Amino acid sequence: DIQMTQSPSSLSASVGDRVTITCRASQGISNDLGWYQQKPGKAPQRLIYAASSLQSGVPSRFSGSGSGTEFTLTISSLQPEDFATYYCLQHNSYPLTFGGGTKVEIK
Amino acid sequence: EVQLVESGGGLIQPGGSLRLSCAASGFTVSSTYMSWVRQAPGKGLEWVSVIYKGGGTYYADSVKGRFTISRDNSQNILYLQMNSLRVEDTAVYYCARDSSGPATWGQGTLVTVSS
Repeated sequence: DIQMTQSPSSLSASVGDRVTITCRASQGISNDLGWYQQKPGKAPQRLIYAASSLQSGVPSRFSGSGSGTEFTLTISSLQPEDFATYYCLQHNSYPLTFGGGTKVEIK
Repeated sequence: EVQLVESGGGLIQPGGSLRLSCAASGFTVSSTYMSWVRQAPGKGLEWVSVIYKGGGTYYADSVKGRFTISRDNSQNILYLQMNSLRVEDTAVYYCARDSSGPATWGQGTLVTVSS
């Protein structure tokens, strides 16, 4: 199985800050990676697919990069509605595997 | 508009069985891969199972031999039959339509396994 190591597990940031979250795959997964945002009590919503493609309707302050084993989600200017938990997911091979999550909290 | 609505969750004793349903609208479940993903209380996301367009299936090791994913093409519904339930199966279960990974998710249904 492919293991996804996500870091950090939590971070505190202020509105307007630039935030970066990283996922590392235990083996190469090409660009078969998505990023998801989850707010308390809600279903996850996909932000990024194919490592760097923005899901329709998602604000352009979200961006993804990487290929192979190292991937990054960047929020260019954190907004109040962005405080949530973020997960990466590899879909290169089954079983699909998620990263452990990053909780973004208000500083 | 693509929409997924799960149902069938509830409180069940260890060793019991439950069938979850996921009613789809805006697309046909047989035209795409469909997955189940779960989330234990206060924990992260765990992928559970997939059914391919052709009907093939795959399961996480944690549920293999106990859970069965299926679909009813005529009613456009995805199912997850869960047998021999364990306390550690307690979670919110989400169905998702796959398009380069799970793309559209339902709102989830809570399964609580407890005596």
